[in-house]
Amino acid sequence: GAGVSQSPSNKVTEKGKDVELRCDPISGHTALYWYRQSLGQGLEFLIYFQGNSAPDKSGLPSDRFSAERTGGSVSTLTIQRTQQEDSAVYLCASSLRGGGSGANVLTFGAGSRLTVL
Amino acid sequence: GQNIDQPTEMTATEGAIVQINCTYQTSGFNGLFWYQQHAGEAPTFLSYNVLDGLEEKGRFSSFLSRSKGYSYLLLKELQMKDSASYLCAGSPPGDYKLSFGAGTTVTVRA
Repeated sequence: GAGVSQSPSNKVTEKGKDVELRCDPISGHTALYWYRQSLGQGLEFLIYFQGNSAPDKSGLPSDRFSAERTGGSVSTLTIQRTQQEDSAVYLCASSLRGGGSGANVLTFGAGSRLTVL
Repeated sequence: GQNIDQPTEMTATEGAIVQINCTYQTSGFNGLFWYQQHAGEAPTFLSYNVLDGLEEKGRFSSFLSRSKGYSYLLLKELQMKDSASYLCAGSPPGDYKLSFGAGTTVTVRA
């Protein structure tokens, strides 16, 4: 697609429920990133995909969080047994290839705002 | 470490100039990025500095000093639409993820 698409844009759930957040990156972008942004905070790195592989999952806050990417395209971030502290905006970004370089600008989606009651 | 520090808030008047500083402690970044984020929207790329010095791009300029671990974003001829959060970010050589500062919220007043 023309940009990075994320769904849902807003999700309100009850504590203890599972949620799935979806990211559809720009076509042809091999690298995909998930970040989390809490109110008034900076972006917190969660996980990075190069193709379908996730070389580094160290940013995931707990084992309740998991992510997968299929076909080198769409990614799903799953949060099990949600807690109130999971409330945040979950941002997905993609880039042509991995690595922080000028030729590798991240394009972000509009985010999925998660509210856990 | 990769601590990235920038001021929390800045206020300026329409038509004025504002400079947003960013300092970082790290063994070295590939370069330094600046992103703009309007409230409720996605961050968008503004600039990237890989070499020391000033890069000018219209009303926005960005400066980098790698030896000092210091960068700034200069916004000139401020417009109301420039009210947003400005995020400083970088990644060490060989790393694949950007580390972001907490962002500086700039408010432009009439």
